[in-house]
Amino acid sequence: AQKVTQAQTEISVVEKEDVTLDCVYETRDTTYYLFWYKQPPSGELVFLIRRNSFDEQNEISGRYSWNFQKSTSSFNFTITASQVVDSAVYFCALSEARTTDSWGKLQFGAGTQVVVTP
Amino acid sequence: DVKVTQSSRYLVKRTGEKVFLECVQDMDHENMFWYRQDPGLGLRLIYFSYDVKMKEKGDIPEGYSVSREKKERFSLILESASTNQTSMYLCASSELNSSYNEQFFGPGTRLTVL
Repeated sequence: AQKVTQAQTEISVVEKEDVTLDCVYETRDTTYYLFWYKQPPSGELVFLIRRNSFDEQNEISGRYSWNFQKSTSSFNFTITASQVVDSAVYFCALSEARTTDSWGKLQFGAGTQVVVTP
Repeated sequence: DVKVTQSSRYLVKRTGEKVFLECVQDMDHENMFWYRQDPGLGLRLIYFSYDVKMKEKGDIPEGYSVSREKKERFSLILESASTNQTSMYLCASSELNSSYNEQFFGPGTRLTVL
């Protein structure tokens, strides 16, 4: 069975500090996809990134970066020079490659609340 | 601009009432999902549908049912609401190959059952 663990419940930082969110996953599949979503106070989850299990390249998008390490089953997310607008709940999620009974369902972690103060 | 809408942002119901939560998407997506979100538990899948009139149980289907009569609309039904169903409910949709494609979420409905 697949499982996603986000051990950090809440992280508080002061603006301009960097913050790293941890995500550890478990799956028996060799083909799977990892996602990060952001949920701002408005409530709507916003897709940030997708990574497939065969692509271990790290990725940077502006102030966001992701570190995928298959050896440790981790897909960590770093916000550089945090801003107040980064305050949100961030979810890591895992999707196994579609089979007849999985339909690519997403397994979410519990989420990490990030609070950025001015 | 892609959109998933939910009929209510906030809803207050009494124990035993029948509750309908509606979700509509305008992206012609085949897949639609209903999740509930509780603190410390993340999002848990209640039901999903990969086609009109088709439905599959998720991880926590007990106490819920769903209906998908049209491709764009997916309804979550609480036949007899109970206080332990007080939660945030999120609807999502995705293209058929959903293992690769991201899910698009609605704004959520915060349901309180008194």
